[in-house]
Amino acid sequence: DAKTTQPTSMDCAEGRAANLPCNHSTISGNEYVYWYRQIHSQGPQYIIHGLKNNETNEMASLIITEDRKSSTLILPHATLRDTAVYYCIVRVVGLANFGNEKLTFGTGTRLTIIP
Amino acid sequence: KAGVTQTPRYLIKTRGQQVTLSCSPISGHRSVSWYQQTPGQGLQFLFEYFSETQRNKGNFPGRFSGRQFSNSRSEMNVSTLELGDSALYLCASSSTGGGLANEKLFFGSGTQLSVL
Repeated sequence: DAKTTQPTSMDCAEGRAANLPCNHSTISGNEYVYWYRQIHSQGPQYIIHGLKNNETNEMASLIITEDRKSSTLILPHATLRDTAVYYCIVRVVGLANFGNEKLTFGTGTRLTIIP
Repeated sequence: KAGVTQTPRYLIKTRGQQVTLSCSPISGHRSVSWYQQTPGQGLQFLFEYFSETQRNKGNFPGRFSGRQFSNSRSEMNVSTLELGDSALYLCASSSTGGGLANEKLFFGSGTQLSVL
């Protein structure tokens, strides 16, 4: 699986947009980019995922570069509840991967929202 | 739709004992994968089950095992517990384990295991 690289930590002021970068320069064509966040001692919470187009849902936006080597997760109006560790992972998807789940997590970005 | 359910939420055991953790996937999901999370090693893949068959296994000793039932519920077992097995054990479920494009993968809240 492709590996991802994220900054260890970031701060963001409450109410501002939080932009979390992720590098996945070795991503291959059948790998999606997934973002999760984890609040202390809880399970990772799904945020968003995408293949090559930009995606938006009620939680966040995902911007993937045209060459797919990097992406940015955007939390448009950060609140204190967004303080968490954010993981960017790449996940192989496709018929050849049927029943072949095996994710590789990096260390993630610890995002702290400052009041 | 109920999420991924893991029981128990907390567990305290002593060295040498064995433990069984349970995971009920989202209804309709056939893939269940397990992860171990420790402060030092982060999230590490243990194994994945799909339709009662183990498809993938991470780099863990044979003391770690699992199984999946016909209703897709899964259990993992750790025998002869060691202090280093203290961790948050997470399971995740998806429809096919990555076989479908645009498929979502969901995690449970985990079981916090403490080995004394």
